Amino acid sequence: DAGVIQSPRHEVTEMGQEVTLRCKPISGHNSLFWYRQTMMRGLELLIYFNNNVPIDDSGMPEDRFSAKMPNASFSTLKIQPSEPRDSAVYFCASSRQRNTEAFFGQGTRLTVV
Amino acid sequence: KQEVTQIPAALSVPEGENLVLNCSFTDSAIYNLQWFRQDPGKGLTSLLLIQSSQREQTSGRLNASLDKSSGRSTLYIAASQPGDSATYLCAVIRGLGGGADGLTFGKGTHLIIQP
Repeated sequence: DAGVIQSPRHEVTEMGQEVTLRCKPISGHNSLFWYRQTMMRGLELLIYFNNNVPIDDSGMPEDRFSAKMPNASFSTLKIQPSEPRDSAVYFCASSRQRNTEAFFGQGTRLTVV
Repeated sequence: KQEVTQIPAALSVPEGENLVLNCSFTDSAIYNLQWFRQDPGKGLTSLLLIQSSQREQTSGRLNASLDKSSGRSTLYIAASQPGDSATYLCAVIRGLGGGADGLTFGKGTHLIIQP
């Protein structure tokens, strides 16, 4: 298996633009997680899905952030409009079940200027 | 709210030494604990997963222990090598029955092994 695949690897955008991050989980995994990593706050859970259904989005910082999982093999995290403070590395992870070993993608480094 | 603390924040040792990384968590009602490695600019690589019913797990030169009652875990690295240089992250998953799922991470230990 190719592991969790994220795209793009790097994204530079101007403030106010819409940004869409993409994730393909490992086949057969039922749980998908979006995390954000910054120097100040470390790794934080934004949202997670179980069987394509959002279970907990309490970590989503603002209404500007939204996530979808239309099917078992694809998820998106959208920021609209983007702001400089959104600059971070965004990771997607998946696990076979909600509390089993998690596997991470390579991350998307987002820079908002 | 679960909090995870890792000590030390940074560590630099000569090659060949055995070393211990520490992780503590405030809520002992965890389901499992996972150790990760992160290389600069890269994603997280899972090293070891310890379920709450287990006391330790071993993989090669790595050994992780878990003492749930005291809220502690240690990662032991034997015969360290320069290739072990990375940031090591500890993360816990809450037990079922309350609170958010997903991993709560420590800030990591930045490890440098000097050749």
